[in-house]
Amino acid sequence: NAGVTQTPKFQVLKTGQSMTLQCAQDMNHEYMSWYRQDPGMGLRLIHYSVGAGITDQGEVPNGYNVSRSTTEDFPLRLLSAAPSQTSVYFCASSGTSGTTSSYNEQFFGPGTRLTVL
Amino acid sequence: SQQGEEDPQALSIQEGENATMNCSYKTSINNLQWYRQNSGRGLVHLILIRSNEREKHSGRLRVTLDTSKKSSSLLITASRAADTASYFCATGSGGGADGLTFGKGTHLIIQP
Repeated sequence: NAGVTQTPKFQVLKTGQSMTLQCAQDMNHEYMSWYRQDPGMGLRLIHYSVGAGITDQGEVPNGYNVSRSTTEDFPLRLLSAAPSQTSVYFCASSGTSGTTSSYNEQFFGPGTRLTVL
Repeated sequence: SQQGEEDPQALSIQEGENATMNCSYKTSINNLQWYRQNSGRGLVHLILIRSNEREKHSGRLRVTLDTSKKSSSLLITASRAADTASYFCATGSGGGADGLTFGKGTHLIIQP
């Protein structure tokens, strides 16, 4: 299993450009999410999905769109990049335990380092 | 806003010593997890403790949870140079469908 993969590893954009960060998992996990990590900070949740066709906003969703057409893929779109979106982006997935009590451990991808000039 | 706050922000100890990190959180949870992040890498899950558990062990790791104080601690015994990393606590609440809320982390340095 490749686990959670992310592409690209690095990206430089100019202000106003758009792009899509790719995320894929091969563990048949229902739950997928996107986080951003800024220097000296923990991770903040951008968007998440509990299954194909279902997405919802996290703590910092503005400026980002997501879709979940398949269980495996969960791309993150930057609509019009801004310097404030310079960050490291992590995708994560987890499988539910079959109950509503909690989710299991999350598996993280290696991250995409994005710089917006 | 961040739910968890780790303490200390940075910790430097000698190899072989024990390292203790603390995490405090604000709202009720149904589980708390600890993750490790090596420099420039993704996060790796270490251990999960549920709200009805008080202590959990995994190898050299010991996690405690005190829901009355809204706090948790992570103890790494007999530290090794390879334990040098940032450690984050993350809390899950409600039905878990709203993702995890992470603290800012403790940066641990193990001196050889």
